[in-house]
Amino acid sequence: AQSVSQHNHHVILSEAASLELGCNYSYGGTVNLFWYVQYPGQHLQLLLKYFSGDPLVKGIKGFEAEFIKSKFSFNLRKPSVQWSDTAEYFCAAHNTDKLIFGTGTRLQVFP
Amino acid sequence: NAGVTQTPKFQVLKTGQSMTLQCAQDMNHEYMSWYRQDPGMGLRLIHYSVGAGITDQGEVPNGYNVSRSTTEDFPLRLLSAAPSQTSVYFCASSYGGKTQYFGPGTRLLVL
Repeated sequence: AQSVSQHNHHVILSEAASLELGCNYSYGGTVNLFWYVQYPGQHLQLLLKYFSGDPLVKGIKGFEAEFIKSKFSFNLRKPSVQWSDTAEYFCAAHNTDKLIFGTGTRLQVFP
Repeated sequence: NAGVTQTPKFQVLKTGQSMTLQCAQDMNHEYMSWYRQDPGMGLRLIHYSVGAGITDQGEVPNGYNVSRSTTEDFPLRLLSAAPSQTSVYFCASSYGGKTQYFGPGTRLLVL
């Protein structure tokens, strides 16, 4: 069955630290990949997406992600996090009409 | 545009009661879906629809029914609520089923 794995369940960083959140998917064939963010008490918002082309995609708020097909990975990065990045981050993959989410990574950023 | 709207925002049910969670979108998206969010489990797809009159099961469909009589509406029905259905429910819509726009969520407590 298709699945998405996020291995970092809880990440704690200080402001200005660099961030990398892992995401792996188990699909064959064409897959579209997404990162969503959920700020406390809010609904999900799209951070960035990859459909095709340049495997390094840039999203909102300084986030970027790299699609590595050989590793079935789509890791999220940010060079310098801010306190306002405290949120839960979800990786998702779309294939054959279904968008499947990972279990999420809770990020806490301390000033 | 209002985007994706959900009602109610919060609901308490007793075991065995039935209810319908409402979802509507005004973006003329043909694709709509329902997810439940539980701590440590991310978002899991319950049911989805690729157009009016067409619905299909997601990852966790048991205990839930859906119908899609119009493009705008996609209600989720719990016929006999169980405590295991305590969760936060998110409705989403998209054009083409890929980049999905989420509603604000319905928090359901089943006693």
